[in-house]
Formats: sequence, structure tokens, C-alpha cells
Amino acid sequence: AIQLTQSPASLSAAVGDRVIITCRASRGIDRDLAWYQQKPGKSPNLLIYGASSLKSGVPSRFSGRGSGTEFTLTISGLQPEDFATYFCHQFNTYPLTFGGGTEVEI
Amino acid sequence: QEHLVESGGGLAKPGGSLRLSCTASGFTFSDYYINWIRQVPGKGLEWVSYIGGSSRTIYYRDSVKGRFIVSRDNNKRAVYLQMNNLRVEDTATYYCARDSGFGEGMDVWGQGTTVAVSS
Repeated sequence: AIQLTQSPASLSAAVGDRVIITCRASRGIDRDLAWYQQKPGKSPNLLIYGASSLKSGVPSRFSGRGSGTEFTLTISGLQPEDFATYFCHQFNTYPLTFGGGTEVEI
Repeated sequence: QEHLVESGGGLAKPGGSLRLSCTASGFTFSDYYINWIRQVPGKGLEWVSYIGGSSRTIYYRDSVKGRFIVSRDNNKRAVYLQMNNLRVEDTATYYCARDSGFGEGMDVWGQGTTVAVSS
């Protein structure tokens, strides 16, 4: 199975900060990567697919880059509602896999 | 609005069975693949199973092969996950999520249903 390694596992940031989360795949997955946001007690919410395409309705402060094995999620200008856990997910090969998550705390 | 709603979770003993349902509304159900994903509270996400729109393609993670069976009834707009020979490590919140199959990610998720396996 393709392993996804996210870093950091957690980070502390302030409103207005720029935050970058990294996801590394154990082998190349082209651009078959998505990012999800999850808040406590809620189901995950798709932010980005195809490594860099923003889902309709998602604020433009979220952006994704990368291809192959190295990917990033950037939040430019952190807002109070962005404090959550973020997961990367590869859909290149079954079994589908997820990164371990990055908790963004105040 | 496009919705998925899971049901059927509960408490089961090791070796027991449960049947989860995932019911859709607000979109053309047969156009979408459905994945089951589970999450132990406070932990990460783990993909469990996939079923294509016509049920011709089905996948499972290794740890549930031979124990879980996924099926769908497009007339009822529902997907089912029959979970047999349950193990303590199957304890989790189970989500269903749709996927268009066009590389757009899983864009609609249910609220989840909780499965607890304990003696």
C-alpha cells in the first residue's frame, strides 16, 4: 500500500499566519491527491483534489501544490474557523490511504 | 442538497455481525462510487471498502476481506456494509463518502455511524 507521511503532526499558529502542511507519498501518485479538513465530532470536508484544484465554495486562502511524491497544503491568512485537523489522501491506487493528519491549534 | 446518511451502527460482541446502511439523496446515485472509511476516535482515517456505480467493481482492505461484504441497491439509493465476524479492532466511526471517479476526491460524506465491538 502507498504510505502517506504528513508533517508536522501538529502545529500552533495565530490568526493571520501562513501555514504549510506537507504530505509525502511512498511512491509516485501523479496528482491523485486530495486534502480534507475535519473538525471535532464532524465528518471530513474536501478542500482540494487533483493536488491543486480547489473544491467549489472553499475559500481561496487554501491552496495545494505538488505532484509525484511531494505535496503541500498552504493556508494563507489563517482564520479562526480553520483551526482543525487536516488529512491528505491518495486515490491513485487501492487500497486508498490517508496521511496521519495535522492538527492546527491556536 | 446532496446528502449521505449512515445508519446501523451499535454494539456487537466479537464474532458478531452488524449491517451498516448508507442512504443518498439529492443526486444521481448510480453515477457515483461509494467508499466506506472508518475512524477510531481521536485517530486517523482508514479506508475500508469501495463499490462502483454498477456494483461490478468492489475492493476491500486486507483486514476486512472475507468478513465484510459491500453491496448497493440503486433503486433504493443505498449502499450496505455487512460486517461479519467482528473484531475489537473494528471499533470505529464508519463514514460513507461518494466519489465521481473523475479524480475529484470524495466530496460528500455522511455524518458517520458508530460501531463498538466489545465482550
